[in-house]
Amino acid sequence: SQQGEEDPQALSIQEGENATMNCSYKTSINNLQWYRQNSGRGLVHLILIRSNEREKHSGRLRVTLDTSKKSSSLLITASRAADTASYFCAPQDSGTYKYIFGTGTRLKVLA
Amino acid sequence: SAVISQKPSRDICQRGTSLTIQCQVDSQVTMMFWYRQQPGQSLTLIATANQGSEATYESGFVIDKFPISRPNLTFSTLTVSNMSPEDSSIYLCSVGKTGDTEAFFGQGTRLTVV
Repeated sequence: SQQGEEDPQALSIQEGENATMNCSYKTSINNLQWYRQNSGRGLVHLILIRSNEREKHSGRLRVTLDTSKKSSSLLITASRAADTASYFCAPQDSGTYKYIFGTGTRLKVLA
Repeated sequence: SAVISQKPSRDICQRGTSLTIQCQVDSQVTMMFWYRQQPGQSLTLIATANQGSEATYESGFVIDKFPISRPNLTFSTLTVSNMSPEDSSIYLCSVGKTGDTEAFFGQGTRLTVV
């Protein structure tokens, strides 16, 4: 079963706007990772945030983690048409080390 | 980092046959996992491949249907047995070098069962 649940399931925004995706999970984790997948392509690792971190930045990406609420968010600022993809969170269970993927958010950025 | 070679990259198979997918890593890794991604869906964990012992399967997946081998720390195979069209998916191998670390993915095997 999916441990991560993401919302929204789909998001459509204009180029230049910010996109926020949320992920909730159920168990204790070592870290949480975000991936991007373009249609029909492989997974691209975006960012890893560890359980003792609250916020992390990478270029136009900002990830937050709230372990008390078992939730994370991914913010993409100043979005571009090339950001159009599906985004997945993958928390790593601290007991089993398994990565369980969320349901994903399909982002569409309109030029 | 870890570089993963997954073979075959794609295949079209007849129903009732079996396909074995190979995952080769360029360095020793602690953890190896197999996932399935059905069309338009997220990744679902099939099993954890354990070196030298039986794989650990997730709910809904059984060894008879998805036998897995992991003879050493750099190689694993997943077999999809007695295939039906419902098995048409992308199958991905994933590895982790240590406990608290990034998961690396192969490019996947796109399987179509006709």
